Amino acid sequence: AQSVAQPEDQVNVAEGNPLTVKCTYSVSGNPYLFWYVQYPNRGLQFLLKYITGDNLVKGSYGFEAEFNKSQTSFHLKKPSALVSDSALYFCAVRDPQGGKLIFGQGTELSVKP
Amino acid sequence: ETGVTQTPRHLVMGMTNKKSLKCEQHLGHNAMYWYKQSAKKPLELMFVYNFKEQTENNSVPSRFSPECPNSSHLFLHLHTLQPEDSALYLCASSRMTSGSLDEQYFGPGTRLTVT
Repeated sequence: AQSVAQPEDQVNVAEGNPLTVKCTYSVSGNPYLFWYVQYPNRGLQFLLKYITGDNLVKGSYGFEAEFNKSQTSFHLKKPSALVSDSALYFCAVRDPQGGKLIFGQGTELSVKP
Repeated sequence: ETGVTQTPRHLVMGMTNKKSLKCEQHLGHNAMYWYKQSAKKPLELMFVYNFKEQTENNSVPSRFSPECPNSSHLFLHLHTLQPEDSALYLCASSRMTSGSLDEQYFGPGTRLTVT
């Protein structure tokens, strides 16, 4: 069965430092991977996706994610965190059979000044 | 977020009430979705519509009844809910059908509390 794991419920980072939010996946066939962000009292916003090609994917707000097939990971990264990046981050994998998105449980990112 | 709107933003209802959630997308998309978001749990897909036709019902109890009159509007009719149904209900849309690789665009959600 397809699944996504976000091993950290919360990540704390100081402003200006690099950040990483971890995601691992399990899927049969080619993985199609997504990152979404949810700010308080808002819906999810699309950040970036990996379909094929370059393993390093660049997305919105300076975020990027690295696809690693051997480690079945798709970690979200940003070189320099901002306080405004504080939010809930969701990794998702597309089910190759039915097409629906399977979400992880989310990681709360807190960036302190 | 103006691409996908949801009303109401907050709803408190008793277990015997009947209410409806509304979603509208202004993006010209062909697929629409209902998700349930509960604290500390992954998003749960409830229903999927492609070109107004329901293509997925993810074992959702019959007290939740979706309706999709056209590609731009999606409703979720609620009746005789239980307290455990309290959650944030998110609507989303995507350009092509749910089988494509397009990203989904989400509305702000309706915070539902069942008393």
